[in-house]
Amino acid sequence: QVQLQESGPGLVKPSQTLSLTCTVSGGSISSGGYYWSWIRQHPGKGLEWIGYIYNSGSTYYNPSLKSRVTISVDTSKNQFSLKLSSVTAADTAVYYCAREGFHCSTTSCTPDAFDIWGQGTMVTVSS
Amino acid sequence: QSVLTQPPSVSAAPGQKVTISCSGSSSNIGNNYVSWYQQLPGTAPKLLIYDNNKRPSGIPDRFSGSKSGTSATLGITGLQTGDEADYYCGTWDSSLNTVVFGGGTKLTVL
Repeated sequence: QVQLQESGPGLVKPSQTLSLTCTVSGGSISSGGYYWSWIRQHPGKGLEWIGYIYNSGSTYYNPSLKSRVTISVDTSKNQFSLKLSSVTAADTAVYYCAREGFHCSTTSCTPDAFDIWGQGTMVTVSS
Repeated sequence: QSVLTQPPSVSAAPGQKVTISCSGSSSNIGNNYVSWYQQLPGTAPKLLIYDNNKRPSGIPDRFSGSKSGTSATLGITGLQTGDEADYYCGTWDSSLNTVVFGGGTKLTVL
C-alpha cells in the first residue's frame, strides 16, 4: 500500500528556510488522481493545512502562508518537497505530508479528505 | 480560533455511544464534503470518515458520520479504551480558499 515518509532537518535557525521532503512508496505520484499535501500541527494545537501540489506541478497554498511557501515535486524520485522561508519560532511544529483526494465539477476541483499520512517530523525553529 | 467549531472534550463509558459535533458555515460545511480524523497520542491523524459519511476500508462501522446544513457529526458506538484520542473535522472553505479544520475534540473513555 501507499506510504509516505517525511525527512529533513529537525532544527532550523530563525530567518532561514525550512526544507522538508516527502518520499512516496507503494504508489506513483505520476499516476494522478490525488493532490500531495503538507499539513502542520503546532505543539498541543490543531491542524493547519499548508498547501498541495499535483503531479503536473500545479500548486495551491494556504493564503495565510502563501508568501513564504513553495511546494515542488520530483516525479522521477517519487518525492514532493516543502520550503518555508523566513521562519520564526511560530513555525515550530510537527510537519506532515499527506495524500489528498479531490472532487471535480465541470468548472473546478475541490480538495477532499487526506487518506494517507506520513508519520510526521518535528521541526524546531531556534538559534 | 478555528473556522470549524468542535467541543474541546467529550467523555463516555466503555460500550456507550458518543457524538462529536462540528459547526461551520455555508462557505465550508454547508457546501463541501466533511472528513473526520482520529489522532491517537503521539501519532499522525488517521482518516475515519470522508465525503460526510463514508468509511475507508478497514474503519469499523462503529464510526459514522453525518451532515445537516452547516453542521456535521461524528458518532462512535461501542466505545473502547483504544478510542481515546483527539478527533478533528475538516473541509474546504470556498470563501477562504483553504482547507479548514476544527480545533479538535479530546475523547475520554471513562
